[in-house]
Amino acid sequence: EPEVTQTPSHQVTQMGQEVILRCVPISNHLYFYWYRQILGQKVEFLVSFYNNEISEKSEIFDDQFSVERPDGSNFTLKIRSTKLEDSAMYFCASNPDSRASPALHFGNGTRLTVT
Amino acid sequence: SQQGEEDPQALSIQEGENATMNCSYKTSINNLQWYRQNSGRGLVHLILIRSNEREKHSGRLRVTLDTSKKSSSLLITASRAADTASYFCATDGVGNTPLVFGKGTRLSVIA
Repeated sequence: EPEVTQTPSHQVTQMGQEVILRCVPISNHLYFYWYRQILGQKVEFLVSFYNNEISEKSEIFDDQFSVERPDGSNFTLKIRSTKLEDSAMYFCASNPDSRASPALHFGNGTRLTVT
Repeated sequence: SQQGEEDPQALSIQEGENATMNCSYKTSINNLQWYRQNSGRGLVHLILIRSNEREKHSGRLRVTLDTSKKSSSLLITASRAADTASYFCATDGVGNTPLVFGKGTRLSVIA
């Protein structure tokens, strides 16, 4: 069964550094999402992306965050200058059609540790 | 915010027993979904119930939805140790807003 893949599985970075988290959504999916989960806490929506542009973003997704779909397969989340509070699991998700098939397919996440 | 809130936060049962988890939300929804998360892994979609449905079954899972009370329940029958995981409800509002997840229920099934 096709799946969403995320790399790396674990990223350690120093405060103030830039990180790029990578995701390969399922190939025929059109809608892409980033969520994050601080350890043991709720899963929080960051951003949704459709047709090469952001369709929705949350208050968390400030100017330090950006997303890009640089080619036909990758979907990236960049954090420009990481803060300690950015430490979390970051999950990429996709679905083929958000209205007809609203269920999301998640990757296994990237654990980001900011020191 | 239509954020779902699961109840209880944690649940521990013996293998073979039924597990019931509840979810409450605040605003009108298009549909409500339940997801499962094994420790350190991504979320896996279990079941979706639309706002005009009241009950849905999938294998050992039974989901109910009461839109008048803005609540849903997930019942796992004849639980197994492998059902040990966190379970989240998620809602999307009218207008196709992004899925919003609750804090989850941690289910432990003891063999």
